[in-house]
Amino acid sequence: NAGVTQTPKFQVLKTGQSMTLQCAQDMNHEYMSWYRQDPGMGLRLIHYSVGAGITDQGEVPNGYNVSRSTTEDFPLRLLSAAPSQTSVYFCASSYRWGGDGGNQPQHFGDGTRLSIL
Amino acid sequence: GENVEQHPSTLSVQEGDSAVIKCTYSDSASNYFPWYKQELGKGPQLIIDIRSNVGEKKDQRIAVTLNKTAKHFSLHITETQPEDSAVYFCALNLFGNEKLTFGTGTRLTIIP
Repeated sequence: NAGVTQTPKFQVLKTGQSMTLQCAQDMNHEYMSWYRQDPGMGLRLIHYSVGAGITDQGEVPNGYNVSRSTTEDFPLRLLSAAPSQTSVYFCASSYRWGGDGGNQPQHFGDGTRLSIL
Repeated sequence: GENVEQHPSTLSVQEGDSAVIKCTYSDSASNYFPWYKQELGKGPQLIIDIRSNVGEKKDQRIAVTLNKTAKHFSLHITETQPEDSAVYFCALNLFGNEKLTFGTGTRLTIIP
């Protein structure tokens, strides 16, 4: 069971370039999300999805796009990279909140380390 | 959005001693309180969680306590070992909402 898989693990971009960070999960989780991690700031939510075809903005969505065409995949796109987007990006997934079951644990990938020059 | 304050930001503990990390929050609708451990170069890994209808939960050397009245929850690690050295994050969800809000992390160092 692979869990949450993120690719690539490392990437260096020049300002203005575009790229897509890939995230795939094999646990049939409805909920998927993207976070960025910066020193001293914890993890901040960029975008999230509660199921195929449904996405919404998190705390820091500017400069990023997402789509969710399948349950398994949730790619994050940088359309025009900026130095401020240098960060470590994490994808996470979980089952949806459900009544008496309450919130479900979120599972994280090992991240993509992105540098924008 | 909800704010979570986490203290301390760094913590050094002699091997075998206990470590305590505390988080405070403001929204009484907060419902689920997980703790994550992050090792170097890895993603956060869930180590223990607690729901708002429970005051304490233990799993071997790790325990979490929740004080809903005071709006804080704490991670307790007893008999610390070198492999406990990592960055620890508290987090929380509001009732009926999957979005996690994270604390700013605590770097725990176990001194042999």
